[in-house]
Amino acid sequence: GQNIDQPTEMTATEGAIVQINCTYQTSGFNGLFWYQQHAGEAPTFLSYNVLDGLEEKGRFSSFLSRSKGYSYLLLKELQMKDSASYLCAAMDSNYQLIWGAGTKLIIKP
Amino acid sequence: DADVTQTPRNRITKTGKRIMLECSQTKGHDRMYWYRQDPGLGLQLIYYSFDVKDINKGEISDGYSVSRQAQAKFSLSLESAIPNQTALYFCATSVGGRDTGELFFGEGSRLTVL
Repeated sequence: GQNIDQPTEMTATEGAIVQINCTYQTSGFNGLFWYQQHAGEAPTFLSYNVLDGLEEKGRFSSFLSRSKGYSYLLLKELQMKDSASYLCAAMDSNYQLIWGAGTKLIIKP
Repeated sequence: DADVTQTPRNRITKTGKRIMLECSQTKGHDRMYWYRQDPGLGLQLIYYSFDVKDINKGEISDGYSVSRQAQAKFSLSLESAIPNQTALYFCATSVGGRDTGELFFGEGSRLTVL
């Protein structure tokens, strides 16, 4: 079956770095997506990886290893506004997104 | 104004009632989706539409129906609501191809079925 695993909750300190991991199993693969969702709001797109390696976008970076079925989202210089849920989603061979349950990130001062 | 607009934003109804959630978009995207989000679960796809004449069931379509009235409008109906349909519902749009995974979500419709 198709499956996405990511930690339920993580806590980090303002100004620090945090890495949110995601492992996936899909029928075929057409990319790995990360979304941010603040409480009570809609998800918003953060990043897309389809090739192995690191994609950097400001304070956020996303990494993919296709052979390991593994991705991570790296958040640097954490700010209080980064407190949110981070959703990992993999696109299968039918271009359907398979979603993880999300990782709730709590930032402490 | 939001690019993807959902109405109503909040609705409380009773078991057995018919409910319609509406979605309209100004992004000009052909692809539209309805998702359901429950605490502790990932987004679950209910229905999706690649254009006005193309509607497809998602992973949890039972108990739901949809209508694509125009490129910009995609409605979700619950013919006879039941309590386990209490959830947060999102409409989303996307461009095709690789960019299919970059979804633009509406603000959500919180539905409570008593």
